[in-house]
Amino acid sequence: AQKVTQAQTEISVVEKEDVTLDCVYETRDTTYYLFWYKQPPSGELVFLIRRNSFDEQNEISGRYSWNFQKSTSSFNFTITASQVVDSAVYFCALRDNYGQNFVFGPGTRLSVLP
Amino acid sequence: EAGVTQFPSHSVIEKGQTVTLRCDPISGHDNLYWYRRVMGKEIKFLLHFVKESKQDESGMPNNRFLAERTGGTYSTLKVQPAELEDSGVYFCASNQAGTGDYEQYFGPGTRLTVT
Repeated sequence: AQKVTQAQTEISVVEKEDVTLDCVYETRDTTYYLFWYKQPPSGELVFLIRRNSFDEQNEISGRYSWNFQKSTSSFNFTITASQVVDSAVYFCALRDNYGQNFVFGPGTRLSVLP
Repeated sequence: EAGVTQFPSHSVIEKGQTVTLRCDPISGHDNLYWYRRVMGKEIKFLLHFVKESKQDESGMPNNRFLAERTGGTYSTLKVQPAELEDSGVYFCASNQAGTGDYEQYFGPGTRLTVT
C-alpha cells in the first residue's frame, strides 16, 4: 500500500529563516511520482513541483528547493529566507505509475511570523 | 485560462438533507477527480472520471455519495442523505490524459458542514 508521512504537523519560523518540510513515502512500485502542493488561506491547492522516481536530481526554484532521496524514501522541501506569504499548509503527495489518483500526506502548516 | 472552479464555496446543511457539489474542470481536461479532506486529516481520493466514464471509484465511502459527469464536462457530487461525518472540504481536480501532464490542477474546494 502507498503511504505519505509528513511528521511535522505545524512549524513556526520568523521571517527570513530557512525551513525544511519533511516528506517520507512508502510504495512498492518502482516507478512513481512525487508532488508538493501549497494550500494558502484562500483554500485552493497550488501545484509546486513534480518529481519522477527515476530522476533523483535535486531542484531549485527561486527560494524553493527539493531534496529527493530514494535511499531514504524522502522528498523534503526547503524554503530559504522565508516570507510571510509562505504561510500555508503544504502537502506532499505520491502517485504510482498505474493509477491516476494521488495519495496525500496529512500536510504541514507553516506559519512565517514577521 | 480559467482554472478548476467549484460551487458552492461553502455549504451548511442539516443531517439528513441532500447537497450537490459542482466542479467545472479546466476546459479540455478529460480527467476529473474528486477528493475530500475530513476533520483536518489527509486529503483522500474519492473517484476519477475519464470524460463521462467512472475510471476508479474505489474511494467513494458509501452509497450515499453519487457522482456524475454527464457529457464529460462538469461533474456533480451528491450526498444524500448527509451525515455529520461527511463534513469536510471537497476538492475537485483535473488534468489532460495522455500528454504526460501528471500534475493535477485543483479547485478551491467546497467546505461542507453538516449539523
